Amino acid sequence: GNSVTQMEGPVTLSEEAFLTINCTYTATGYPSLFWYVQYPGEGLQLLLKATKADDKGSNKGFEATYRKETTSFHLEKGSVQVSDSAVYFCAPSNTPLVFGKGTRLSVIA
Amino acid sequence: NAGVTQTPKFQVLKTGQSMTLQCAQDMNHNSMYWYRQDPGMGLRLIYYSASEGTTDKGEVPNGYNVSRLNKREFSLRLESAAPSQTSVYFCASSGRGSAYEAFFGQGTRLTVV
Repeated sequence: GNSVTQMEGPVTLSEEAFLTINCTYTATGYPSLFWYVQYPGEGLQLLLKATKADDKGSNKGFEATYRKETTSFHLEKGSVQVSDSAVYFCAPSNTPLVFGKGTRLSVIA
Repeated sequence: NAGVTQTPKFQVLKTGQSMTLQCAQDMNHNSMYWYRQDPGMGLRLIYYSASEGTTDKGEVPNGYNVSRLNKREFSLRLESAAPSQTSVYFCASSGRGSAYEAFFGQGTRLTVV
């Protein structure tokens, strides 16, 4: 099935720093790609998605572009805030839906 | 909309006790999942149900059983709890098709002593 390799954290940044979390995928066919976020004490929730090559997903200042040529879906944000501290998971659409270890982001004021 | 509802939110069990974690979704989703989350281990799939009437093992099924009671409900049972099953358990559901996102419950924090 489809799978991802995601950079492991933890990642610690100062407020207003630039964020990149790398994610590369292997897939048969053309899966959709998702970034999920997990805030402390909560379940995962969708952050953004892209359904085909060259699509850009965006939400809350985060962006990720579905790059077929490099099989990547890197998450970026230009200026992180303390409230972005969370664990981030990259995942391809799949049955069953499996996740990696995620990347823990801590943003300090 | 309630989305995905898990019960209970917290539970403490003694080794050898049994219990069932309940999960229900109100989004008419075909697929439902149970995961466990341990520190540093990410989310690991225990069992999943791709459609009503079917269940399949995930990465870490040992010590667990599941029941897809109907399209809405998917329960996880621990027949004889062990300390190694201390974890946070998440239920999730998703629609059919590659564009559909998964929706998660708030989790059940289980401690086995």
